Amino acid sequence: AQKITQTQPGMFVQEKEAVTLDCTYDTSDPSYGLFWYKQPSSGEMIFLIYQGSYDQQNATEGRYSLNFQKARKSANLVISASQLGDSAMYFCAMRVTGGGNKLTFGTGTQLKVEL
Amino acid sequence: EAGVVQSPRYKIIEKKQPVAFWCNPISGHNTLYWYLQNLGQGPELLIRYENEEAVDDSQLPKDRFSAERLKGVDSTLKIQPAELGDSAVYLCASSLGGQGEYRGELFFGEGSRLTVL
Repeated sequence: AQKITQTQPGMFVQEKEAVTLDCTYDTSDPSYGLFWYKQPSSGEMIFLIYQGSYDQQNATEGRYSLNFQKARKSANLVISASQLGDSAMYFCAMRVTGGGNKLTFGTGTQLKVEL
Repeated sequence: EAGVVQSPRYKIIEKKQPVAFWCNPISGHNTLYWYLQNLGQGPELLIRYENEEAVDDSQLPKDRFSAERLKGVDSTLKIQPAELGDSAVYLCASSLGGQGEYRGELFFGEGSRLTVL
């Protein structure tokens, strides 16, 4: 079975600062993908970034980067230069090769960006 | 390009009443998902379709929940009868499908928020 753990229920960061949201995962499948989604108060889940288990480099998408440490089974999201619009719920998710295209989500981290 | 469309956005019903949610996926996406999201939790898969075939419905409470995806495009999720514990957000998502290293990210609708009184 696959499991995603997000241990930070809430985080605060000042505008323009960087913040790291933690995610650890557990799977016995050697091939998997890791995703981060943002969910603002409107409710829609917005895809942010993807990391494949065999990718040699950490993924980056604009202000988002993924700190992938395979041996530790962690896939932390780093948001640089935080903006007020980054305030939202953030979910880490995983898909394994043997599980079809099904995402398993963590419980999320509520991020609040302050002035 | 239009995103995933869901309706209704909000629904309030009394317990034991039926309710239905509709989803129109992104054009060309063969895979469609229904997820349940309880307050303060991450989404949990209810059912996944590949075209019109339900390939994963192991988490769907079949005594009261049903779903269909006619012609492999739109989908409907029904609850009959609804219970108090069904109050949640029902998210629909679609994707081109993906295996292994292919990204195949899911695109979500805004969800249908159900309140059962």
